[in-house]
Amino acid sequence: AQSVSQHNHHVILSEAASLELGCNYSYGGTVNLFWYVQYPGQHLQLLLKYFSGDPLVKGIKGFEAEFIKSKFSFNLRKPSVQWSDTAEYFCAVKPGRRALTFGSGTRLQVQP
Amino acid sequence: ETGVTQTPRHLVMGMTNKKSLKCEQHLGHNAMYWYKQSAKKPLELMFVYSLEERVENNSVPSRFSPECPNSSHLFLHLHTLQPEDSALYLCASSQEERGGINTQYFGPGTRLTVL
Repeated sequence: AQSVSQHNHHVILSEAASLELGCNYSYGGTVNLFWYVQYPGQHLQLLLKYFSGDPLVKGIKGFEAEFIKSKFSFNLRKPSVQWSDTAEYFCAVKPGRRALTFGSGTRLQVQP
Repeated sequence: ETGVTQTPRHLVMGMTNKKSLKCEQHLGHNAMYWYKQSAKKPLELMFVYSLEERVENNSVPSRFSPECPNSSHLFLHLHTLQPEDSALYLCASSQEERGGINTQYFGPGTRLTVL
């Protein structure tokens, strides 16, 4: 069965530290990949997505993600986090026309 | 303010009831979504209507039935629900453009309690 794995459930960083959140999926065909963010008390927002083309995708708020097909990965990165990046981050995979499947989420806490 | 409204905001229903959740988007988008958010569980996409095609998660039981009469309105019809269906049901919309970076706008959700 298709699955999405986020290995880090809770990450604590200091401001200005670099961030990398892992995401791996098990589907072998063509996939669309997403990262979503949910700030405390707010609605879900789409950070970025990959459909095709350049495997390095840039999103909002300085986030980027790299699709590595051979590793079935789509890790999220940010060079320097801010306190306002404290949120829960969800990786999601959509194979072709099939439905989106979310990972279990990673809670990021940035300490000032 | 997201431009996506959901009614009702709270709903309590018995297992034999039939009810509907309504979502309306005022953003001119061409895709709408139903999500289920349960405590301590991953967010689950239930249904998508994108470019007039419906895509569904095969694990969603048939007691949930979506309806999308036009690009601005989305319904979720509920019947013979179970207590484990109690959750926050979120609606979202987006403008799907291949290669573009779209943003999904979420509604505030309907908090559903099944007794």
